Amino acid sequence: GDSVTQMEGPVTLSEEAFLTINCTYTATGYPSLFWYVQYPGEGLQLLLKATKADDKGSNKGFEATYRKETTSFHLEKGSVQVSDSAVYFCALGSSNTGKLIFGQGTTLQVKP
Amino acid sequence: NAGVTQTPKFQVLKTGQSMTLQCAQDMNHNSMYWYRQDPGMGLRLIYYSASEGTTDKGEVPNGYNVSRLNKREFSLRLESAAPSQTSVYFCASSNDAGRTYEQYFGPGTRLTVT
Repeated sequence: GDSVTQMEGPVTLSEEAFLTINCTYTATGYPSLFWYVQYPGEGLQLLLKATKADDKGSNKGFEATYRKETTSFHLEKGSVQVSDSAVYFCALGSSNTGKLIFGQGTTLQVKP
Repeated sequence: NAGVTQTPKFQVLKTGQSMTLQCAQDMNHNSMYWYRQDPGMGLRLIYYSASEGTTDKGEVPNGYNVSRLNKREFSLRLESAAPSQTSVYFCASSNDAGRTYEQYFGPGTRLTVT
């Protein structure tokens, strides 16, 4: 079945460091791909999305490119801030089931 | 717009007690979902409703029931709470007309069963 695998956390970075959170997927068909962010004590918010191969989603300085050849959707940001500390979830929209499938989440902690 | 709202925000139950978690959305979405979030497990789908009047089981439905009261409201009921149901519960909704699967989440209910 369809699945999403994220890199293990927690990830600890200093402010202004470069961020990469890896995400790979297994799916039949052509899924949509998402990154959601969960700030402490809050629900999930959509951060960015891509609906087809080679699309780049971007928001708030974060970017991710839908790579069909490597089945990946890695999240990147050039310079993280303390306010980016949160849990990040990669997800795919399954064309098989019509539902979102989430990775296990990666905790990011950014230190001043 | 309030988006997706959930009540209560926090709840403590004793084993065997029952309760209903409420969820409402004001975005005129057809589909609604209940997830639970446990450390290291990501989000797991409990039940979903593709449209008013229909409900289906997700990945972890045992011990739960749901009601899609109308297009706006989707409730989750624990008939006899167990410590294994200690978790954070999220409700979500989506407009699947475009089949993009983008979901909007409520703030969550933190449930502890002792």
